[in-house]
Amino acid sequence: RKEVEQDPGPFNVPEGATVAFNCTYSNSASQSFFWYRQDCRKEPKLLMSVYSSGNEDGRFTAQLNRASQYISLLIRDSKLSDSATYLCVVNVGGYNKLIFGAGTRLAVHP
Amino acid sequence: EAGVVQSPRYKIIEKKQPVAFWCNPISGHNTLYWYLQNLGQGPELLIRYENEEAVDDSQLPKDRFSAERLKGVDSTLKIQPAELGDSAVYLCASSRGAGNYNEQFFGPGTRLTVL
Repeated sequence: RKEVEQDPGPFNVPEGATVAFNCTYSNSASQSFFWYRQDCRKEPKLLMSVYSSGNEDGRFTAQLNRASQYISLLIRDSKLSDSATYLCVVNVGGYNKLIFGAGTRLAVHP
Repeated sequence: EAGVVQSPRYKIIEKKQPVAFWCNPISGHNTLYWYLQNLGQGPELLIRYENEEAVDDSQLPKDRFSAERLKGVDSTLKIQPAELGDSAVYLCASSRGAGNYNEQFFGPGTRLTVL
């Protein structure tokens, strides 16, 4: 079993749609959690950190459920520019060691 | 502020040839990481440096891969000899420190093709 597993995608949605990505992790000692965004042939970039209480940044909402070892990302009012691969990332140990999921590809169409 | 710089951006070599990748982290970032990303997968850590010390190289295939960060700033990752399966994107990242909430900033990567 992979340490971080994500919905394989791709998700094809129209502009304005709401889309949710799910992620599960296997290491119960994981300490911090993130969503990274990666555009085609570009480097990953931090989208948002995921806090225990859940957090929101504009159209993006991240949730963490430690008991179920589950992380989610909700995107509301999808834009064409949201088309990218979304990587679920877990920090294991106490020294910033990031474990990346394989990513979920999102394609937003007009 | 300049980002993480990597070179070359693309490299095509024949199998059994050596290859080297260079990375210059963001100024002031003490921690440097090398990742490998295969097509359709997330990045996987190869090695992590704290200043000039390699503190986690457990996932670096040491029979053919080596890395150095002699002065604690820029770093080089080498493969010798390269194999067909080494074709991938090699990403360098840096962070200000090694604590859990130090954001890692990635460079554009070097896309390696081994023929």
